[in-house]
Amino acid sequence: NAGVTQTPKFRVLKTGQSMTLLCAQDMNHEYMYWYRQDPGMGLRLIHYSVGEGTTAKGEVPDGYNVSRLKKQNFLLGLESAAPSQTSVYFCASSSDRVEGQPQHFGDGTRLSIL
Amino acid sequence: RKEVEQDPGPFNVPEGATVAFNCTYSNSASQSFFWYRQDCRKEPKLLMSVYSSGNEDGRFTAQLNRASQYISLLIRDSKLSDSATYLCVVNRYTGNQFYFGTGTSLTVIP
Repeated sequence: NAGVTQTPKFRVLKTGQSMTLLCAQDMNHEYMYWYRQDPGMGLRLIHYSVGEGTTAKGEVPDGYNVSRLKKQNFLLGLESAAPSQTSVYFCASSSDRVEGQPQHFGDGTRLSIL
Repeated sequence: RKEVEQDPGPFNVPEGATVAFNCTYSNSASQSFFWYRQDCRKEPKLLMSVYSSGNEDGRFTAQLNRASQYISLLIRDSKLSDSATYLCVVNRYTGNQFYFGTGTSLTVIP
C-alpha cells in the first residue's frame, strides 16, 4: 500500500546542475501536484497536473519544469539549480472521482543547492 | 490577501488541556475543508475533513462557518503526541486546487 512515493529522499547539488525528482502514485488519481515548503512560508504550489499529458503552472513555477507522460508519474525538473531552490519538495495526488477528496502526500525530497 | 490565514502560534499547552485553532479563508467559492497535521520535517497528513454540520473524531472536533468563512479545530485532553503543526486547507473543485495556511504550531508540555 505505497500511496505516493518520492525519489530521491535527499540530494545535494551544485549551482547550475540539473536533476529530476520523481513522484509515483498507485491510487489511480487524476490530479498530481508539486509543492515546495520553506520555513515560515507554508506549502507553495509549483506545478500541477489534472491528467496524463497535461500540466499547469502554480504559484511559483519559475526555474522548474514538469512532465506527466504516464498517469501514475509526475516528474519535476530543475534545469539549472540555484541556491534559492534549496527546499523540501512534496508531491501530492488527489482523486477526481468524488468531489471534496483530500490530497495524499509523499514523504518529501530534501534538496540542498550549494 | 492570503487565501487561508492561520494564527502561527506557537501554542504551548500542558497535557490534558483543551486547545482551539482558528482559520479564515478569503474565497467564498471554497467548497471543501480539511485539517492536516505535519510533524517536524515530515509530510502533511490528513487529520480530518471539515463538514458543514461540524464533525468529531475522538478528541478532535472541527467546525465550519461558511457565513464568516471560518474554520476551527478543537483538541480536548491534549497528549504529548499531539505536538505538531496543524495546517488548515481549503479546496475549490474548479481545477481541484488546494490552498494551505502556513500552519499553527502546537507543543504539549508534560
